[in-house]
Amino acid sequence: QKEVEQNSGPLSVPEGAIASLNCTYSDRGSQSFFWYRQYSGKSPELIMFIYSNGDKEDGRFTAQLNKASQYVSLLIRDSQPSDSATYLCAVNTGGFKTIFGAGTRLFVKA
Amino acid sequence: DAGVIQSPRHEVTEMGQEVTLRCKPISGHNSLFWYRQTMMRGLELLIYFNNNVPIDDSGMPEDRFSAKMPNASFSTLKIQPSEPRDSAVYFCASSYQGVSYNEQFFGPGTRLTVL
Repeated sequence: QKEVEQNSGPLSVPEGAIASLNCTYSDRGSQSFFWYRQYSGKSPELIMFIYSNGDKEDGRFTAQLNKASQYVSLLIRDSQPSDSATYLCAVNTGGFKTIFGAGTRLFVKA
Repeated sequence: DAGVIQSPRHEVTEMGQEVTLRCKPISGHNSLFWYRQTMMRGLELLIYFNNNVPIDDSGMPEDRFSAKMPNASFSTLKIQPSEPRDSAVYFCASSYQGVSYNEQFFGPGTRLTVL
């Protein structure tokens, strides 16, 4: 079992719809959770982090964390073609090391 | 802030040559990470430093790979000798390990092609 798992996609949604990206992790001691966006040919860019159960909203983005289920998700409301990218889930178990998932490719159709 | 700086941005070399990648972390950050990204294997952590000290190099694929951090503002990743299978994008990232949540910030990457 991989430490951080994501569906590779591609996830295709129409413009204006809600895109839902999911991630599960194996270490129950994980403390911080991050979502990175990576455009093709570019470096990962941090867009959200969350550390307590529940929802955290930032503009069109909402991160959701459920530690009991070891599950973290990212919702993108009013999806735009510019949101088309690979989204990486990352988990920190405390200390120095952060584990990255393989990423989910999102395609927003105009 | 200038962000994480990496050089060169692109490197094309021939098999057997030595390759040195360079990284300048964000000022004030005390941790530095080297990653390699390929289509097949995704983003792989190679090594990370805290306060200039290597903490975990278990991700370094072979003895051909080595990394140093002589001071808080500079790190190198060296491959000697290079092989075609080393072709990838190499990212450097930095973070502040303290009371924050350890978010990492990535440099633009070095695209390495070994012929």
